[in-house]
Amino acid sequence: QVELQESGPGLVKPSETLSLTCTVSGDSISSHYWSWLRQSAGQGLEWLGRIYSDGYTTYNPALKNRLTLSVDTSKNQFSLKLTAVTAADTALYFCASQYCTPTACYLYYFGDWGQGTLVTVSS
Amino acid sequence: QSALTQPASVSGSPGQSITISCTGSNSDVGSSNYVSWYQQHPGKAPKVVIYDVTTRPSGVSDRFSGSKSGNTASLTISGLQAEDEAEYFCCSYGRSNPYVFGTGTKVTVL
Repeated sequence: QVELQESGPGLVKPSETLSLTCTVSGDSISSHYWSWLRQSAGQGLEWLGRIYSDGYTTYNPALKNRLTLSVDTSKNQFSLKLTAVTAADTALYFCASQYCTPTACYLYYFGDWGQGTLVTVSS
Repeated sequence: QSALTQPASVSGSPGQSITISCTGSNSDVGSSNYVSWYQQHPGKAPKVVIYDVTTRPSGVSDRFSGSKSGNTASLTISGLQAEDEAEYFCCSYGRSNPYVFGTGTKVTVL
């Protein structure tokens, strides 16, 4: 059974950088895509971006200038850095999988999710 | 991008069937073959119950079914059980806006 677990600071000051890590257990991070999403109060879910195990990234254009995703296959982890945060970045952040088979990648839905980690931006 | 519209809440008695709608536009649901549905219990990780409009992942109860007509996708839960009480949200995948999510529906089992 694949499990994803988000980790990182729960409180970040405005203008600073939000950093989160997702640790994958039960499967190798290799040869799959891995996404970050967030859910803020009063807003629906928002997809932030995804990374393939070789480091190839695709970002939500709305965040592209502030977001960087990275992957560490040796630790079976992938990470998010969001710069210049504001109160609008306060949200429950999720990591999720988008699996590939030898013949196709299924980018149309999110297979497994972490439970989410709440990040508050406040001074 | 605008969120897909879902009813805030839907309720039903055990054994009944309920349907949750997910309404978008020609730019998302109406032109997408890739609508997915997720179940989220409080404090738990979301779980996909339907993808590609009608496909049920392995291990998901066949009481869950999906459909689409025009700009509206639907999730039907038949034989409602207490364990189905959760939040449900839809997602439409499209080329212009990769992922547009629904506003979420709280299902209550009476």
